[in-house]
Amino acid sequence: AQTVTQSQPEMSVQEAETVTLSCTYDTSESDYYLFWYKQPPSRQMILVIRQEAYKQQNATENRFSVNFQKAAKSFSLKISDSQLGDAAMYFCAYTYGTASKLTFGTGTRLQVTL
Amino acid sequence: DTGVSQNPRHKITKRGQNVTFRCDPISEHNRLYWYRQTLGQGPEFLTYFQNEAQLEKSRLLSDRFSAERPKGSFSTLEIQRTEQGDSAMYLCASSQPGQGAYNEQFFGPGTRLTVL
Repeated sequence: AQTVTQSQPEMSVQEAETVTLSCTYDTSESDYYLFWYKQPPSRQMILVIRQEAYKQQNATENRFSVNFQKAAKSFSLKISDSQLGDAAMYFCAYTYGTASKLTFGTGTRLQVTL
Repeated sequence: DTGVSQNPRHKITKRGQNVTFRCDPISEHNRLYWYRQTLGQGPEFLTYFQNEAQLEKSRLLSDRFSAERPKGSFSTLEIQRTEQGDSAMYLCASSQPGQGAYNEQFFGPGTRLTVL
């Protein structure tokens, strides 16, 4: 069974600083996708960034980038120049196959302080 | 198009009552997913539809749960004889089908169910 593990329940970062959120996963599949989703308080979940397993190049989206280590089954999210609006729950997620159903980790709550 | 909508946003019910939630996906999205999120946990997959066909159900979906998507548009999730353990946020997401690649799932705001 596929599992996603986020070992950091909470993280804190000062505004304008950089923070890295960790995620590991377990799968026997060779072709799959990994995601980071953001869930602000009382607001809907939105996709931050995604990574295709067959791509060696790490994905980047503006201030967000990932460090994808396929052999280690590790997928961390780096947020640069953190902003107050980045405060939210961040979920690491995985999917494979045609169903595309998502398997989520337990989340990391990110606080951004002044 | 205003995105995925879910109604009601909040539902409080007494144990043993039946409840029904509705999800309206983004128009032209023919895939629709239901997830359940309990406090302190990530969402867990419940079931998904492609058009009107329900293609997969999780083992989490007991026989008290039923989902439909008539005519491949909106979907309903019904829980019969609710239990306190059903208290959770129920999330709906929709997407276009992939062509051998993943298509982004767009999530609704969720329906928060509280069973007293």
